[in-house]
Amino acid sequence: AQTVTQSQPEMSVQEAETVTLSCTYDTSENNYYLFWYKQPPSRQMILVIRQEAYKQQNATENRFSVNFQKAAKSFSLKISDSQLGDTAMYFCASVPQAAGNKLTFGGGTRVLVKP
Amino acid sequence: DVKVTQSSRYLVKRTGEKVFLECVQDMDHENMFWYRQDPGLGLRLIYFSYDVKMKEKGDIPEGYSVSREKKERFSLILESASTNQTSMYLCASNPTGRQSYEQYFGPGTRLTVT
Repeated sequence: AQTVTQSQPEMSVQEAETVTLSCTYDTSENNYYLFWYKQPPSRQMILVIRQEAYKQQNATENRFSVNFQKAAKSFSLKISDSQLGDTAMYFCASVPQAAGNKLTFGGGTRVLVKP
Repeated sequence: DVKVTQSSRYLVKRTGEKVFLECVQDMDHENMFWYRQDPGLGLRLIYFSYDVKMKEKGDIPEGYSVSREKKERFSLILESASTNQTSMYLCASNPTGRQSYEQYFGPGTRLTVT
């Protein structure tokens, strides 16, 4: 079974600064996908960024980037130039190709961006 | 844009009541999912469905059942609600065949069982 661990329950950051959220996972699969999802207060969960395990290059989406360390089974999310709208719960998730659609989620990290 | 809607944002029920949570998606997705979200535990999969009338148990199916009579609609049923089922319930969907496995989520239903 897969496990995903987010060791930081809460983080705060000043507006315009950078924050990094950690995520580690455990899988015996070689081919899998990793995700960071964002859940703003009282709003729908949306995908922030996705990484295919077979790709060595770290994924980036505007101010969001990941540091994917396959050997260490680590998948951290960096939010640069933090904005007030980044305040949300962030969930790390993984799915092995062999498991089809069954995502495994971490416990979440609450990020508060302060003005 | 994909739209996943859930019938209620907030719901309060009494212990022992039968509870129905409804989810509808408008993008003709084959797969639909029900999760519960609890602080510190993230999202845990209750059931999912990969086709009409097809279902599979997730990680925590006990106390729940599901129904999928139409492709766009996936219902979660609490046969006899208990206080330990107080939680946020999220529905999600995605299409078969797209290898990224990204799921699209509804806004959630916060259920309180008293």
